[in-house]
Amino acid sequence: DTGVSQDPRHKITKRGQNVTFRCDPISEHNRLYWYRQTLGQGPEFLTYFQNEAQLEKSRLLSDRFSAERPKGSFSTLEIQRTEQGDSAMYLCASSLEGLAGEVAFFGPGTRLTVL
Amino acid sequence: GNSVTQMEGPVTLSEEAFLTINCTYTATGYPSLFWYVQYPGEGLQLLLKATKADDKGSNKGFEATYRKETTSFHLEKGSVQVSDSAVYFCALRRDFGNEKLTFGTGTRLTIIP
Repeated sequence: DTGVSQDPRHKITKRGQNVTFRCDPISEHNRLYWYRQTLGQGPEFLTYFQNEAQLEKSRLLSDRFSAERPKGSFSTLEIQRTEQGDSAMYLCASSLEGLAGEVAFFGPGTRLTVL
Repeated sequence: GNSVTQMEGPVTLSEEAFLTINCTYTATGYPSLFWYVQYPGEGLQLLLKATKADDKGSNKGFEATYRKETTSFHLEKGSVQVSDSAVYFCALRRDFGNEKLTFGTGTRLTIIP
């Protein structure tokens, strides 16, 4: 089963450090999304790629956050100078551009704890 | 903007009880509607979806009908099992131009034997 994978699954870091997360989407999917989920809340959209192009960024994505998808396959999300408020589950999802009701498949998430 | 309002939890039911989790939405255009489920220790999984008014999505005994007149997509199951214990998220996606999902806050469901 080659679903969406994310690495690492857990990351503990100290405030001020930089962290990078990786997402490997389902291989034939051309769309890739990053979401953030805090305890007791639903996932919130961060950013979205179609192939290698980053087409939309949420206002939640401050200038400390950067995401890339250099070859239209895997993606990385980097957070610079982490803050305690960045502690959350970071979810990656992928989908295949298609008809109405296009389904996004989610990875297991990377749980970030900033001390 | 787009938004989803879900019934607040947690919800606790006995096995074989009838389940309803309410979901209403606000959106421009014609969104697709989804229910995702998150089992303990697992990632989000699609449970069911509907893409136009009066469509009924169904899966694993769960059903939800897209009601445009009441802007609702309530999740129902006739007889719940302990294995249905999870967090349920209602979500919408405006197709063709706004690809992201907008989620509700989730409803935690616990089924007791």
